[in-house]
Amino acid sequence: DAGVTQSPTHLIKTRGQQVTLRCSPISGHKSVSWYQQVLGQGPQFIFQYYEKEERGRGNFPDRFSARQFPNYSSELNVNALLLGDSALYLCASSFGMGRREKLFFGSGTQLSVL
Amino acid sequence: DQQVKQNSPSLSVQEGRISILNCDYTNSMFDYFLWYKKYPAEGPTFLISISSIKDKNEDGRFTVFLNKSAKHLSLHIVPSQPGDSAVYFCAASTVQGAQKLVFGQGTRLTINP
Repeated sequence: DAGVTQSPTHLIKTRGQQVTLRCSPISGHKSVSWYQQVLGQGPQFIFQYYEKEERGRGNFPDRFSARQFPNYSSELNVNALLLGDSALYLCASSFGMGRREKLFFGSGTQLSVL
Repeated sequence: DQQVKQNSPSLSVQEGRISILNCDYTNSMFDYFLWYKKYPAEGPTFLISISSIKDKNEDGRFTVFLNKSAKHLSLHIVPSQPGDSAVYFCAASTVQGAQKLVFGQGTRLTINP
């Protein structure tokens, strides 16, 4: 069975540009969460979506936005990129939206901002 | 404000011995704790969890201990195997936080033959 898939795997952008990252959850999973992992740190929560609605938002600026589609896939958008946005972006899916649900993470998208 | 801290960036253990990874937290609202393991080029994988109503949870070679008064949890791996070499993250959540997990910085565990 396919796990959580993220695309692209690597991405290079320049400051000020915009980027869209994509995530396909495990089949049957309805919840998608996004995390940012800066080198040497643990993942930091950005968003959770369940049934196409935002269910949680972390402490990130409005330059970060996301959405979930009817097929439960999700996109994370980052506008006006800064050097500090360089990080590994992880997507995680789960069947339900509760916090006891086991999260399954994708391998991530490595974003480099030059 | 680092609410979840893993103060040891790395740990080296001999194969067959016990590995003990530690984690401290500051937010008293955390009531559910998890450990994840991460191999290079892969996403984190869930390992084991514990609710604040318990002080111990076991799953095979893995045991998590929770000391609420000290705001401290630890992961014990016995016996340690070479495949356990990875980065380990502890994470915590609150009732209000839904699936928002707050992660520590991670500890790189190396199991030596």
